[in-house]
Amino acid sequence: DAKTTQPNSMESNEEEPVHLPCNHSTISGTDYIHWYRQLPSQGPEYVIHGLTSNVNNRMASLAIAEDRKSSTLILHRATLRDAAVYYCILSLRGNSGGSNYKLTFGKGTLLTVNP
Amino acid sequence: ETGVTQSPTHLIKTRGQQVTLRCSSQSGHNTVSWYQQALGQGPQFIFQYYREEENGRGNFPPRFSGLQFPNYSSELNVNALELDDSALYLCASSRAWDYGYTFGSGTRLTVV
Repeated sequence: DAKTTQPNSMESNEEEPVHLPCNHSTISGTDYIHWYRQLPSQGPEYVIHGLTSNVNNRMASLAIAEDRKSSTLILHRATLRDAAVYYCILSLRGNSGGSNYKLTFGKGTLLTVNP
Repeated sequence: ETGVTQSPTHLIKTRGQQVTLRCSSQSGHNTVSWYQQALGQGPQFIFQYYREEENGRGNFPPRFSGLQFPNYSSELNVNALELDDSALYLCASSRAWDYGYTFGSGTRLTVV
């Protein structure tokens, strides 16, 4: 399984941008890059995903390096509610066709947001 | 959207017993996965069901089994519970493989 490497923790101030890095040097051509976050006492929450091009949605932006060996999740203005563990994940297909893939979570990055 | 709901939220079982955890998928989602999350760790993939068939399995023994029903709700069954099975069990559903998963809040299982 292709693995990802993330910093154990990062700190930010409220209303400032946050750039969360992720390295995935063994990514395959068909792996999507997914980001999830997990707030305390909750299940993971989907943030964003992409394949090759940069992606934007209402929660965040995903910047993917041209060689796809790294990516960065960008929170444009951090709020206290963004404090969570952020997981960078490469989607791996299951063993048959159809709608199937598994998420291989690492330990993620614990983001602390200071008021 | 109703989201993913799991029941029960908390459960205490004795070693050797069997347990069934339940999950209602988000409306329109035909794929459901189960994950185990030990304290301080990321979730670990147990297995996935697509259209009532298991189509992916992680490194978990056969005493972990599941079902997906025609309405896409799902069950996770664990037999012969061990102390190490104590964890948060998460259910997640999706429309298709290249969409994001919606997770439930999980069932906290404690084995004593």
